[in-house]
Amino acid sequence: GQNIDQPTEMTATEGAIVQINCTYQTSGFNGLFWYQQHAGEAPTFLSYNVLDGLEEKGRFSSFLSRSKGYSYLLLKELQMKDSASYLCAVRPPITGTASKLTFGTGTRLQVTL
Amino acid sequence: GAGVSQSPSNKVTEKGKDVELRCDPISGHTALYWYRQRLGQGLEFLIYFQGNSAPDKSGLPSDRFSAERTGGSVSTLTIQRTQQEDSAVYLCASGSDRTYEQYFGPGTRLTVT
Repeated sequence: GQNIDQPTEMTATEGAIVQINCTYQTSGFNGLFWYQQHAGEAPTFLSYNVLDGLEEKGRFSSFLSRSKGYSYLLLKELQMKDSASYLCAVRPPITGTASKLTFGTGTRLQVTL
Repeated sequence: GAGVSQSPSNKVTEKGKDVELRCDPISGHTALYWYRQRLGQGLEFLIYFQGNSAPDKSGLPSDRFSAERTGGSVSTLTIQRTQQEDSAVYLCASGSDRTYEQYFGPGTRLTVT
């Protein structure tokens, strides 16, 4: 089975740092995605981790620990435009690039002044 | 270049009617995915197509749901005899054979009254 957990909502202040956690229990694992979704819009790709460790991309970083079934997305220097839902998704162990993803319910982040 | 497009953007239908939702993937992308997103919930995988391979239909919730992909490009998701629980945003995504990333369209918001 597949189980992916994320906090439902988070609030943070403009300019601050926020960490959004994702834990997963899945029957097989071959990578974890983070997507950003503004209200009423399509999800957009943020990061993909397949090996343990931290991947940094500008203000956003993503961390993965496969042994713990745990990932986090770190957002630095928060801006109002970062108010959105952040979706964690797991890729099963399928060869090739095409694969269905299993998504968590998403974390709605509100950035305040 | 053009992204993934979907039509219609909104569809209101009466319970029991059939609906067709269309997806135009990014040109050259070999993989095409359909997901459903109910209000306040995560994305739920429905079906995906990869090249000339048989589609993975493992996420279709019932035999009222079907999808086709003609000519390796445009896809149509058909829901027969719609029910109120079918109300959701239906998202289409496409992917190339060079990356794991999925590019999402803006979705079709389906409301069954």
